[in-house]
Amino acid sequence: DAGVIQSPRHEVTEMGQEVTLRCKPISGHDYLFWYRQTMMRGLELLIYFNNNVPIDDSGMPEDRFSAKMPNASFSTLKIQPSEPRDSAVYFCASSRNLGELFFGEGSRLTVL
Amino acid sequence: AQKVTQAQTEISVVEKEDVTLDCVYETRDTTYYLFWYKQPPSGELVFLIRRNSFDEQNEISGRYSWNFQKSTSSFNFTITASQVVDSAVYFCALRLKTSYDKVIFGPGTSLSVIP
Repeated sequence: DAGVIQSPRHEVTEMGQEVTLRCKPISGHDYLFWYRQTMMRGLELLIYFNNNVPIDDSGMPEDRFSAKMPNASFSTLKIQPSEPRDSAVYFCASSRNLGELFFGEGSRLTVL
Repeated sequence: AQKVTQAQTEISVVEKEDVTLDCVYETRDTTYYLFWYKQPPSGELVFLIRRNSFDEQNEISGRYSWNFQKSTSSFNFTITASQVVDSAVYFCALRLKTSYDKVIFGPGTSLSVIP
């Protein structure tokens, strides 16, 4: 079975532009997580879904960030407008019930 | 409050030495799950082990072993006879059943194994 698939792997954009990160979880997994990793803050939980429903978005930094999960096989994390401080690696992960999280390879975002 | 602490920010050892990475967690839940993940220099996050709060048996997998002690809220990870390939950042994580299954990661411990 394929693992968690994230796209794009790398994104370089200019401040003010909209950024959309995509994630395809492992088939059959009912939880999907979005994390952000930076040197300063480590791995931060941004938002997570259970059966496509957002459960906790308290980690979303501000209104510029939004996430959706329209179906069980797809999720997006959008930043609009982007700022240099949003530069980070964004990881998507999925799990079945309370099992371990399986992570994608991450999307490295650079905002100039 | 729920929290995971990894007090060791960076550790350096010489190859073949044993090394223990500490993890201390805080939760009032009685049902929870603990994990260790490895992040090598290539950046991916690799699952190592999962332990539930009702299973305090220690586990050994090759050169890796884990010591779970509820009395001290610790879930420590030991690498025996370390190798250069063990160089990575190691994360401990806590998953809470009663807090909508939230998963909280510790800050990580960067391990360098010197040849």
